Amino acid sequence: SQTIHQWPATLVQPVGSPLSLECTVEGTSNPNLYWYRQAAGRGLQLLFYSVGIGQISSEVPQNLSASRPQDRQFILSSKKLLLSDSGFYLCAWSPFAEAFFGQGTRLTVV
Amino acid sequence: GIQVEQSPPDLILQEGANSTLRCNFSDSVNNLQWFHQNPWGQLINLFYIPSGTKQNGRLSATTVATERYSLLYISSSQTTDSGVYFCAVETSETSGSRLTFGEGTQLTVNP
Repeated sequence: SQTIHQWPATLVQPVGSPLSLECTVEGTSNPNLYWYRQAAGRGLQLLFYSVGIGQISSEVPQNLSASRPQDRQFILSSKKLLLSDSGFYLCAWSPFAEAFFGQGTRLTVV
Repeated sequence: GIQVEQSPPDLILQEGANSTLRCNFSDSVNNLQWFHQNPWGQLINLFYIPSGTKQNGRLSATTVATERYSLLYISSSQTTDSGVYFCAVETSETSGSRLTFGEGTQLTVNP
């Protein structure tokens, strides 16, 4: 079966600390992978998407970066967190055409 | 980039009522999906519907790709239907496929 794992579920980090969120998928090869952020309110903002290993497209210039070191692994990172990085981060994958989301990580920067 | 507009932004219903949520998009799309975000933040897939009509229990969806809109119908609403409903469209870019979301419709179903 096809599944997506995202962790941790919640995270509280001080300003200036680094960040690493990991997303892994199982059950298929070479999926499209996405990172979204949902700030207070409703909208989902696309941060990064990837069509293959080492191929990252950035949507919004900001304090974050993404990497895809393996086919089924997508990592969201920051060297120094800002207060404005707080939000709900969602990883998604699209094995064929339909997209599926992970459980999300609620990040609070204090 | 493509624009995705959802209406209404907020909707309050009494249990048992029917509703229609709309999603308009500004350009041709490869695919369209409807999601329900539950109170815990999880995005639940409702429909994958690039065109045509699909039904799943009390929910149904119709996409008219040529006119660039999709509708989500909820019949006999229940309190568990509350949450935010999103539509998302997939477009092809030079760097791959991109999934763009609308701002969502916040649905509240009162008992």
